[in-house]
Amino acid sequence: DGGITQSPKYLFRKEGQNVTLSCEQNLNHDAMYWYRQDPGQGLRLIYYSQIVNDFQKGDIAEGYSVSREKKESFPLTVTSAQKNPTAFYLCASSARTGIDGYTFGSGTRLTVV
Amino acid sequence: AQSVSQHNHHVILSEAASLELGCNYSYGGTVNLFWYVQYPGQHLQLLLKYFSGDPLVKGIKGFEAEFIKSKFSFNLRKPSVQWSDTAEYFCAVNPHSGNTPLVFGKGTRLSVIA
Repeated sequence: DGGITQSPKYLFRKEGQNVTLSCEQNLNHDAMYWYRQDPGQGLRLIYYSQIVNDFQKGDIAEGYSVSREKKESFPLTVTSAQKNPTAFYLCASSARTGIDGYTFGSGTRLTVV
Repeated sequence: AQSVSQHNHHVILSEAASLELGCNYSYGGTVNLFWYVQYPGQHLQLLLKYFSGDPLVKGIKGFEAEFIKSKFSFNLRKPSVQWSDTAEYFCAVNPHSGNTPLVFGKGTRLSVIA
């Protein structure tokens, strides 16, 4: 089955630590995205990549970093500089034009303790 | 910058009631419009989408949405809701070229009671 796999499903981090969230897709999609979902805030764009080895900041990129070394993979690192990292993180992918909409992963819930 | 407004944060309906969820966007050009649904514990799924043509779009599970260009609106409707429609609904938009990431509204939580 084609889809997007996010891991882990739940992640706990101590303050001051960096943590990397995994996102892998086997849909042969060119574009991949990271959104953050908070209650009452909807989905806010962190980073996106339309092609391998290229990515752009979204609306709330501060404190996050990404890489896109392979078409299938778009990992997100939440750094210690992110002031409020506890949230639900969603990865998505689409064809380059996005006209068919996005396919979403099941998300990673990050809690900073 | 584009923005999407969803007017209702939480809607509570009885089974068989009719549903209309509002969505307005701010963008002067031609847009692609989407409604996504997130059932409890599940990932976001596409309900329906509009690119061009007939402004009344039909999606899965009996949902439909109407694009009214003059009102910058794309409201979601369903004639008769079921308990299984309990979920969070998100409206999203991007410019017609499609190369700009989707901008999402804040979502509307729908609770359907028996």
